[in-house]
Amino acid sequence: DAKTTQPTSMDCAEGRAANLPCNHSTISGNEYVYWYRQIHSQGPQYIIHGLKNNETNEMASLIITEDRKSSTLILPHATLRDTAVYYCIVREPMKTSYDKVIFGPGTSLSVIP
Amino acid sequence: DAGITQSPRHKVTETGTPVTLRCHQTENHRYMYWYRQDPGHGLRLIHYSYGVKDTDKGEVSDGYSVSRSKTEDFLLTLESATSSQTSVYFCAIKNRDSAGYTFGSGTRLTVV
Repeated sequence: DAKTTQPTSMDCAEGRAANLPCNHSTISGNEYVYWYRQIHSQGPQYIIHGLKNNETNEMASLIITEDRKSSTLILPHATLRDTAVYYCIVREPMKTSYDKVIFGPGTSLSVIP
Repeated sequence: DAGITQSPRHKVTETGTPVTLRCHQTENHRYMYWYRQDPGHGLRLIHYSYGVKDTDKGEVSDGYSVSRSKTEDFLLTLESATSSQTSVYFCAIKNRDSAGYTFGSGTRLTVV
């Protein structure tokens, strides 16, 4: 599976957009980009995923570069409750064998008042 | 959510004792996972299962065993608990659609 690289930590001012980058230069054609977040002491929570088109839902937007080697998760108006660790992973969603899901250390986002 | 329940939610145990953590799901998902989470290490995969009686090792499987005798239950056993296994343990399932994985609420285990 493709490996991802994320910055260790980021700060964002409350009310501003938080842009979290992820590099996945070895992504294969069948692999989607997934984003999860983990608020302190809770289980990770799914945010959004995409293959090659930009995606938006009620939580965030996902921008994937044309070559698919990197992506950016955008939280349009960050609130204090968005302070969390954000994980970017790449997976082939319908893989039927040996689906060993590895999470990296993620990006620790701190939203500052 | 996918109906994932972890039990117990909290446990304190003594070094050298066996401990079993349970992950229960109600929606017949095929894939189930056990992770541990420690400060500075993020989520690390211990074991996973791709069906009844089909399991495989993850990144940090030493000292742990798993069993999946029925679809709904994935058990993680610490054969002889050590202080280094003090951690928060998360179970996860793989969703059938493309929306990835759903995690349980975690079990906080302290080995004294």
